Amino acid sequence: GAGVSQSPSNKVTEKGKDVELRCDPISGHTALYWYRQSLGQGLEFLIYFQGNSAPDKSGLPSDRFSAERTGGSVSTLTIQRTQQEDSAVYLCASSTSSGGTDTQYFGPGTRLTVL
Amino acid sequence: DQQVKQNSPSLSVQEGRISILNCDYTNSMFDYFLWYKKYPAEGPTFLISISSIKDKNEDGRFTVFLNKSAKHLSLHIVPSQPGDSAVYFCAASAAGNQFYFGTGTSLTVIP
Repeated sequence: GAGVSQSPSNKVTEKGKDVELRCDPISGHTALYWYRQSLGQGLEFLIYFQGNSAPDKSGLPSDRFSAERTGGSVSTLTIQRTQQEDSAVYLCASSTSSGGTDTQYFGPGTRLTVL
Repeated sequence: DQQVKQNSPSLSVQEGRISILNCDYTNSMFDYFLWYKKYPAEGPTFLISISSIKDKNEDGRFTVFLNKSAKHLSLHIVPSQPGDSAVYFCAASAAGNQFYFGTGTSLTVIP
């Protein structure tokens, strides 16, 4: 079946512009995660959605970052007034539940470059 | 503060030999650990996991060892194959859903 998809695959933007990154999780997966990987860094947790519960936003680095998940499926990560340090690969993952031990299936990522 | 560390950014191994990838963590509350493999331009794919009630988990050529007292995790691949060449990430969580990832180790298996 289809895996996690993300769009766009690459995004180049100018400093100060807003960007939206999209994630389509695997159908039926109730948990959705956003991570980012900056150059030379590990995967950094950003935000987590589980069903209709309030999202865990503890990893968002600043109030310029926000995310929503519509209808328990597609998620959009929005970065306002982008800065050069936002340049990274943004990865989305989904899993079947939130037990903490369920395998997360990752999308291919969106490579964001802020000039 | 990096709670999960992979101190070797790269590793080269001859085909057929054993690859050992290491991972250290600082949070004693971590109770679930995973290894992911990542090829260029792709997202990470799950490889193997272990919970803190075990000290070893084996799946084919892949074995993960957990030393809780040392807060150390390792992944053994034997025999190593050229297709194993990828970046390997270890990750840990503490009874919740936020996973902490290491910075990755790039494995090259030389034919």
